[in-house]
Amino acid sequence: KQEVTQIPAALSVPEGENLVLNCSFTDSAIYNLQWFRQDPGKGLTSLLLIQSSQREQTSGRLNASLDKSSGRSTLYIAASQPGDSATYLCAVRPWGYTDKLIFGTGTRLQVFP
Amino acid sequence: EPEVTQTPSHQVTQMGQEVILRCVPISNHLYFYWYRQILGQKVEFLVSFYNNEISEKSEIFDDQFSVERPDGSNFTLKIRSTKLEDSAMYFCASSLRTDGRDTIYFGEGSWLTVV
Repeated sequence: KQEVTQIPAALSVPEGENLVLNCSFTDSAIYNLQWFRQDPGKGLTSLLLIQSSQREQTSGRLNASLDKSSGRSTLYIAASQPGDSATYLCAVRPWGYTDKLIFGTGTRLQVFP
Repeated sequence: EPEVTQTPSHQVTQMGQEVILRCVPISNHLYFYWYRQILGQKVEFLVSFYNNEISEKSEIFDDQFSVERPDGSNFTLKIRSTKLEDSAMYFCASSLRTDGRDTIYFGEGSWLTVV
């Protein structure tokens, strides 16, 4: 059964720091991995989608990498800003005849000025 | 940018009452989903829907739950007889395709409180 874990659970950093958020999954048979942002009491905003054949994806200050064989993904946030404060979730889509995403517990990020 | 919209944003209901949560997926999308998030827990898959029928459902999605696409734009989740443990944020989502290459877009959620 696929399990998704995110470390750390919470992170508090000063503005300007470069950050790495970690996501690990137990079964490497995946179609893709998606990173989301969730603001308190709000919906999920898709940040990056990495296909199983890809190594990384970039969008602005965000870079996500995928090492499928070791069951790991990292989300790198460059030059963090207070507006980056949110919970970051990773989700994997397992390989096979399934539509569902399996989510991790998230990393709660606070960036202070 | 196109978005998934959900109503209501928050609903309080008495235990045993029926609740209908509504969603308008992105207009050209073909695959629709419901997920839920109990406070402090992971986001969990409930059901996926394609071509007017359920394509997959989780063990959470028992007989008290049903989904429907009553017209060309709305997608609804009905909970027939709500229980206290149904209190959660319910997210609707949609995607253009489901071949593993497509981003799934989520709505803002409907917060359901059962008292």
